[in-house]
Amino acid sequence: DAMVIQNPRYQVTQFGKPVTLSCSQTLNHNVMYWYQQKSSQAPKLLFHYYDKDFNNEADTPDNFQSRRPNTSFCFLDIRSPGLGDAAMYLCATSRETLLNFYNEQFFGPGTRLTVL
Amino acid sequence: AQSVTQLDSQVPVFEEAPVELRCNYSSSVSVYLFWYVQYPNQGLQLLLKYLSGSTLVKGINGFEAEFNKSQTSFHLRKPSVHISDTAEYFCAVSDTIGAGNMLTFGGGTRLMVKP
Repeated sequence: DAMVIQNPRYQVTQFGKPVTLSCSQTLNHNVMYWYQQKSSQAPKLLFHYYDKDFNNEADTPDNFQSRRPNTSFCFLDIRSPGLGDAAMYLCATSRETLLNFYNEQFFGPGTRLTVL
Repeated sequence: AQSVTQLDSQVPVFEEAPVELRCNYSSSVSVYLFWYVQYPNQGLQLLLKYLSGSTLVKGINGFEAEFNKSQTSFHLRKPSVHISDTAEYFCAVSDTIGAGNMLTFGGGTRLMVKP
């Protein structure tokens, strides 16, 4: 089945130790998104790739970076995790065209990040 | 700019009772509206969406929602809930401007179905 896969599902890191979260998709969608969801809060968009074009939300901290080496994979890099970065990180994908019809975002199961 | 308000952070309800989860939005342009469900430690799953046409939208798992433009609301309803409906529900809005169709989520409503 076509899907959005996130690895690992649970990640523990130490304060200040760089960490990378991974997302892959078999849907061949051209847009990939990263959301941060803190406990009991709504998902908050960090950034997205429209094809190869990177789009950063204005309030996303510089500590968060992303890479998209090809259509199928997208990575979230947290350079120096702080205690406040502990959250669920959700990856999503969609197929978008310049005609701007709405196309559903498909979400992965998320990676729960713990910072010690 | 657009925003979404979910008026109830928690809704307790007994099994087989009806439920309504409220959602109001604000936007200066035409919008697309969505309800997502999130089970514990899982990603978001689309329940239903309003893009255009009939204001009553039917989704999966017996849920439906009604778009009310004059009241800027998109409330989610189910006539009879099950224990398995216990989850977090998010209302979201996307406007028609720009590529990528960004979603803005409400704060979520935790539906707690009791036996």
